[in-house]
Amino acid sequence: NAGVTQTPKFRILKIGQSMTLQCTQDMNHNYMYWYRQDPGMGLKLIYYSVGAGITDKGEVPNGYNVSRSTTEDFPLRLELAAPSQTSVYFCASATGTRNTEAFFGQGTRLTVV
Amino acid sequence: GNSVTQMEGPVTLSEEAFLTINCTYTATGYPSLFWYVQYPGEGLQLLLKATKADDKGSNKGFEATYRKETTSFHLEKGSVQVSDSAVYFCARLNNAGNMLTFGGGTRLMVKP
Repeated sequence: NAGVTQTPKFRILKIGQSMTLQCTQDMNHNYMYWYRQDPGMGLKLIYYSVGAGITDKGEVPNGYNVSRSTTEDFPLRLELAAPSQTSVYFCASATGTRNTEAFFGQGTRLTVV
Repeated sequence: GNSVTQMEGPVTLSEEAFLTINCTYTATGYPSLFWYVQYPGEGLQLLLKATKADDKGSNKGFEATYRKETTSFHLEKGSVQVSDSAVYFCARLNNAGNMLTFGGGTRLMVKP
């Protein structure tokens, strides 16, 4: 059982480039999340989705876009990369009920130079 | 709003020492509470959880009790091991179940 899979694991972007971070889950979870983790800091929510076709902004959405065309996939798009977006990005999924945990991917380490 | 505050690290202990990592949450409604652990180079894994007042979550020798009166969910372990070295995150899930908010994380280093 793969769980939550993120690709790529590492990426270096130049300022102004764009890229898509991929996230897919095979647990049929309705809820999916994107977080960023800056060095020595906690996780900040970028965007989340409660089901296919529904997305909402989290705490730090500026500079990012998401889509949720299927239950399995929740890609995160960076249109114009900036050094401030250098971070580790985590995708997570959950059933959405109160007493169940969120499952996390292994993370994508992004550096913008 | 929904927020979680946990003690800053790093926390450095000798093997077999007693561990406490403090966590408090905002008392909006009755959130579910979690402790996640992040080992070096990995994603977060659930360590334990509690969904209502006075519940005690436990796993791998770690414990935390949901204290509504003090809005706290402190993590404890009686005897830490070197393999417990990691970053620990306290988190709360809002009543709607659609937003998981994390504390800043506490790095634990256990020396032999």
